[in-house]
Amino acid sequence: DTAVSQTPKYLVTQMGNDKSIKCEQNLGHDTMYWYKQDSKKFLKIMFSYNNKELIINETVPNRFSPKSPDKAHLNLHINSLELGDSAVYFCASSQNTNQPQHFGDGTRLSIL
Amino acid sequence: DAKTTQPPSMDCAEGRAANLPCNHSTISGNEYVYWYRQIHSQGPQYIIHGLKNNETNEMASLIITEDRKSSTLILPHATLRDTAVYYCIVKGGLGGANSKLTFGKGITLSVRP
Repeated sequence: DTAVSQTPKYLVTQMGNDKSIKCEQNLGHDTMYWYKQDSKKFLKIMFSYNNKELIINETVPNRFSPKSPDKAHLNLHINSLELGDSAVYFCASSQNTNQPQHFGDGTRLSIL
Repeated sequence: DAKTTQPPSMDCAEGRAANLPCNHSTISGNEYVYWYRQIHSQGPQYIIHGLKNNETNEMASLIITEDRKSSTLILPHATLRDTAVYYCIVKGGLGGANSKLTFGKGITLSVRP
């Protein structure tokens, strides 16, 4: 009965690889988000989709591409992984853009 | 850029009330005050939010000053499980591109036995 679920929970890969992180919410929410938490524990918004449309795109390298196949899913694809991409990535959802956000447990990405 | 300032840390005794302060002197009329917390190795958890009236739910109370320049999150009976980083966030109420949460450093609350 997990509300916002991310897979995988841990991802260890080599520099230069391409990887995807999946997020699904079963709350019937319209809005989904991706946040990045770096080694200094700062949490920053990356992207947000509302009804499958991109509404927030912060200054994120274009190696990062979000994809929302439907309202319940927001996946994050990362090309040509770099050492600086090592972080915890959190997915979140909210009923709409005005409501509180519910977060997943994060995906811990480590680049070797 | 976070619009709030919080002390870096505080502690309280288990069973006592924990009062977590937050300053947001530049808050504008349509911005809400939100509180989230992050327990170690977990995702942030929504606690409470308010515009200008005091709010209470099953987790906490939020007291907002009349001029809205500061607020206090109150955990009435802190437990060891409340040890976490607490984030006070000012968020626009217009939705859309204003829906993002801008996290600062937060305040680390340590509840001692």
